[in-house]
Amino acid sequence: EPEVTQTPSHQVTQMGQEVILRCVPISNHLYFYWYRQILGQKVEFLVSFYNNEISEKSEIFDDQFSVERPDGSNFTLKIRSTKLEDSAMYFCASRGRGTGHTGELFFGEGSRLTVL
Amino acid sequence: AQSVTQPDIHITVSEGASLELRCNYSYGATPYLFWYVQSPGQGLQLLLKYFSGDTLVQGIKGFEAEFKRSQSSFNLRKPSVHWSDAAEYFCAVAGNYGQNFVFGPGTRLSVLP
Repeated sequence: EPEVTQTPSHQVTQMGQEVILRCVPISNHLYFYWYRQILGQKVEFLVSFYNNEISEKSEIFDDQFSVERPDGSNFTLKIRSTKLEDSAMYFCASRGRGTGHTGELFFGEGSRLTVL
Repeated sequence: AQSVTQPDIHITVSEGASLELRCNYSYGATPYLFWYVQSPGQGLQLLLKYFSGDTLVQGIKGFEAEFKRSQSSFNLRKPSVHWSDAAEYFCAVAGNYGQNFVFGPGTRLSVLP
């Protein structure tokens, strides 16, 4: 069964460092997402991406964040200068469009980011 | 914009007992509705979904949910809970074809032996 894969599973970084989280969405999906979950809290929307551009972003997704689809398979989230409050689990998700797709998001296993 | 509420932050049930987790949504049209489960330290797994047709949907692991438009609810049920069901459960709502996907705050389920 196709799945969304994320790397790394866990990253520890120093405050102020740049971090790139990587995701490989399901191959025929067209919509890509990043969500964040701070420990013990709800899953929060960060950004959605379609047709090589951001289609929607939340207020959490400020200038420190960026997303990119550098090639036909990867979808990355970059945090330019990490802060302590960026410590969270980051989930990538993708969904398809059209016949055979029912709107559900398929999630990766998450990348845990710890900022020291 | 759509929203989801899950009134129960934490529920504790005994193994073998029945379970109902509540979910209420706000959306102007017919929503796409989902339940996801998250075991500790794990990702999000889809339990079931509703987007049209029969309002009672069956999912994995013996779960079911019923869409009630008049109550704007999509409650999750299981007739007999197993210890392995202890996890966080998230209800989610989306527009057509999954647009504007929004999660509820989650309900943590504990299961007593």
